[in-house]
Amino acid sequence: DAGVIQSPRHEVTEMGQEVTLRCKPISGHNSLFWYRQTMMRGLELLIYFNNNVPIDDSGMPEDRFSAKMPNASFSTLKIQPSEPRDSAVYFCASSHSGTHSYEQYFGPGTRLTVT
Amino acid sequence: GENVEQHPSTLSVQEGDSAVIKCTYSDSASNYFPWYKQELGKRPQLIIDIRSNVGEKKDQRIAVTLNKTAKHFSLHITETQPEDSAVYFCAASRGNTPLVFGKGTRLSVIA
Repeated sequence: DAGVIQSPRHEVTEMGQEVTLRCKPISGHNSLFWYRQTMMRGLELLIYFNNNVPIDDSGMPEDRFSAKMPNASFSTLKIQPSEPRDSAVYFCASSHSGTHSYEQYFGPGTRLTVT
Repeated sequence: GENVEQHPSTLSVQEGDSAVIKCTYSDSASNYFPWYKQELGKRPQLIIDIRSNVGEKKDQRIAVTLNKTAKHFSLHITETQPEDSAVYFCAASRGNTPLVFGKGTRLSVIA
């Protein structure tokens, strides 16, 4: 298996532009997590899906952020409009609920820079 | 909600010495405690985990201990090597739910 796939790996955009981050979870995994990593706040959850349904979006900073999971093999995180304080590394992780393994597998991350 | 505190934030050890990183958690319902290693520019990678029905787990040079009463768990790395240098994160969760991470420990192993 290729593991969790994220694209793009790097994104540089100007303030006010729309940014879309993409994630393909490991095949067969039914839980998907979006985390954000910054120096100041560390690793924090943005949103969590189970069986394609958003379960917990309490970490989504504000209405500028939205996430979707239209099917079991694809999720997007959109920021519109983007701001410099959104600059961070965004990780997608997946796991298989319903098994005895709770391990979350992280993708390589998308490094977002908003100027 | 869960809150995870991690100490120290930085740790330097001589090659061959042991390193210990400590975490506390607040949610008594948390039952899963993984440790991740993150090298510069890379993704977090699971190195060991423990569940609340186990007090200690060991994998070669790495061990984790859990004290449920004190809500405290620790990572122990013995015979440290330069390649152990990285940032280590502890985390806690209720089963297969989102992880709440500590702020990380930057470990430097000096050859």
